[in-house]
Amino acid sequence: EADIYQTPRYLVIGTGKKITLECSQTMGHDKMYWYQQDPGMELHLIHYSYGVNSTEKGDLSSESTVSRIRTEHFPLTLESARPSHTSQYLCASSEYGHEGYTFGSGTRLTVV
Amino acid sequence: RKEVEQDPGPFNVPEGATVAFNCTYSNSASQSFFWYRQDCRKEPKLLMSVYSSGNEDGRFTAQLNRASQYISLLIRDSKLSDSATYLCVVNILVDRGSTLGRLYFGRGTQLTVWP
Repeated sequence: EADIYQTPRYLVIGTGKKITLECSQTMGHDKMYWYQQDPGMELHLIHYSYGVNSTEKGDLSSESTVSRIRTEHFPLTLESARPSHTSQYLCASSEYGHEGYTFGSGTRLTVV
Repeated sequence: RKEVEQDPGPFNVPEGATVAFNCTYSNSASQSFFWYRQDCRKEPKLLMSVYSSGNEDGRFTAQLNRASQYISLLIRDSKLSDSATYLCVVNILVDRGSTLGRLYFGRGTQLTVWP
């Protein structure tokens, strides 16, 4: 049973389209994170939030943006999708920030 | 320099074998340590935390050596279902005095257990 949900699971979209990847969690966690992972490669942190109205950029330069208006919701938006955005996007949350994270099932994005 | 370095693998072992994974981390301020398991095209899932005293969970044993900045995972009596990628993960505080941290993931070591 998942406590953190990502939609859509798979998305194929054309270049130039605006897309929003959804992430919601029901655990009341303050800390939420977005990671990007290419096949066979490590996870890279692209955005994180330590609470409502708090967002920070991660280690990997990303053309995406995030918002945190509600504790349970942390959507990621790409204003204009490009083929270089093709990847898997994983959302995670944690209660304290120093323990292990719980991950969603991911969104596998393909931009054609 | 990467925060976490792992054995590149892949490891291909028969059922029943014992296999060991190693990992080193570069930041001495790392606070907590984990092993995650990631199945093909799935999300990472927490396998176990790693403590300085060492800890065991069934067939899995994790060790941490802070002086050497080295983490290990030992899997005994390997099962077919153990086939996955194992990620070494460290948590580093965002700044001194903070309780907030971020996880840094290794690239992972792929394990295939064959019958």
